[in-house]
Amino acid sequence: NAGVTQTPKFQVLKTGQSMTLQCAQDMNHEYMSWYRQDPGMGLRLIHYSVGAGITDQGEVPNGYNVSRSTTEDFPLRLLSAAPSQTSVYFCASRPDSGANPYEQYFGPGTRLTVT
Amino acid sequence: AQSVTQLGSHVSVSEGALVLLRCNYSSSVPPYLFWYVQYPNQGLQLLLKYTSAATLVKGINGFEAEFKKSETSFHLTKPSAHMSDAAEYFCAVSNTGKLIFGQGTTLQVKP
Repeated sequence: NAGVTQTPKFQVLKTGQSMTLQCAQDMNHEYMSWYRQDPGMGLRLIHYSVGAGITDQGEVPNGYNVSRSTTEDFPLRLLSAAPSQTSVYFCASRPDSGANPYEQYFGPGTRLTVT
Repeated sequence: AQSVTQLGSHVSVSEGALVLLRCNYSSSVPPYLFWYVQYPNQGLQLLLKYTSAATLVKGINGFEAEFKKSETSFHLTKPSAHMSDAAEYFCAVSNTGKLIFGQGTTLQVKP
């Protein structure tokens, strides 16, 4: 049981380049989400999904796209990277019901630098 | 709307001293409350959670937090700080399924 995995761990992009951050979970969780972490701002929600085929915007969605074709995977796409997207990105998942609703499990993060 | 405020972006204590990290929340309905810890260059680890059972919640590594509805607070405490407690701590609230985080508090432990 690997939990929530993210790839890559580190990435450097040039302004205007595109890339996809990968996230996968093996806990059969319906809910998955992406956050970005910036100094002094905590973690802010980018996009989330309540199940395969269903996604919605969070607090800071601009410049990011997501899709959810399977329960396990929730990739985050940067269409045209900007220096303001330099951040640490965390993927998380949680069950929809059971003994620990709302308790989210986090991946190890992807550190992205846009030059 | 939900929100979380952590008072103090940096807290410094001596080893063996009491740790107190403050968290106040805003929620229109009874919330679920969480404390997460992040060690340098690592992901987030759940310390403890409040889910409307006991108001005093015990977590890992000797930490505990008390839910006080009248004060809308969920402060994190530990009686005696260890050097290994140096990390960033995040308070978070949820009543809709989405997790809303505070700004974080960096705990420094001095020998």
